[in-house]
Amino acid sequence: GEDVEQSLFLSVREGDSSVINCTYTDSSSTYLYWYKQEPGAGLQLLTYIFSNMDMKQDQRLTVLLNKKDKHLSLRIADTQTGDSAIYFCAETAGRDDKIIFGKGTRLHILP
Amino acid sequence: ETGVTQSPTHLIKTRGQQVTLRCSSQSGHNTVSWYQQALGQGPQFIFQYYREEENGRGNFPPRFSGLQFPNYSSELNVNALELDDSALYLCASSTGVGGSPGELFFGEGSRLTVL
Repeated sequence: GEDVEQSLFLSVREGDSSVINCTYTDSSSTYLYWYKQEPGAGLQLLTYIFSNMDMKQDQRLTVLLNKKDKHLSLRIADTQTGDSAIYFCAETAGRDDKIIFGKGTRLHILP
Repeated sequence: ETGVTQSPTHLIKTRGQQVTLRCSSQSGHNTVSWYQQALGQGPQFIFQYYREEENGRGNFPPRFSGLQFPNYSSELNVNALELDDSALYLCASSTGVGGSPGELFFGEGSRLTVL
């Protein structure tokens, strides 16, 4: 089946690194994504990684993919108050390449 | 701003009624997907339309139906509303089906409350 699991909450001090973890089930996923949702807003694509890659870095964001364990992580360096949001892990799944989302991790920034 | 607009932004209906939600895709996008996001949950895939044809459907009953028009705008229709249909309905447009990074551009959603 298609399922994406992630922890629901994470609290991090401003300036520290945040690491949000995710596991997925569809081994045929071609792309894995991280989306960000701020209060009252739609979802915004932060970054994605192709399934044959291990790592992708984009400014403060680092995505690590362990395909053997079906584990994806998002590291945000130097976490800022503006990073406070819900972060969704997602995978492409099925013949129609629909995108399946996890329940989201709420990132709370401590002063 | 993604260029995807949804209407209405908020609406209240009663059980048994019908609702139509609308979405205008970003210019140049021929694929639209609809998601239901219940409170505290991730978006759940309802269906996807590509060039006016349904191209994939999630685990939603037939009373959830959709349309895509020649200008690639789209509608989501829900008949016989139930209390559990209360959610944020998100429309997302993209440039194509399969083989691409599949970046979805989301609208801000239509929040439906069923009483």
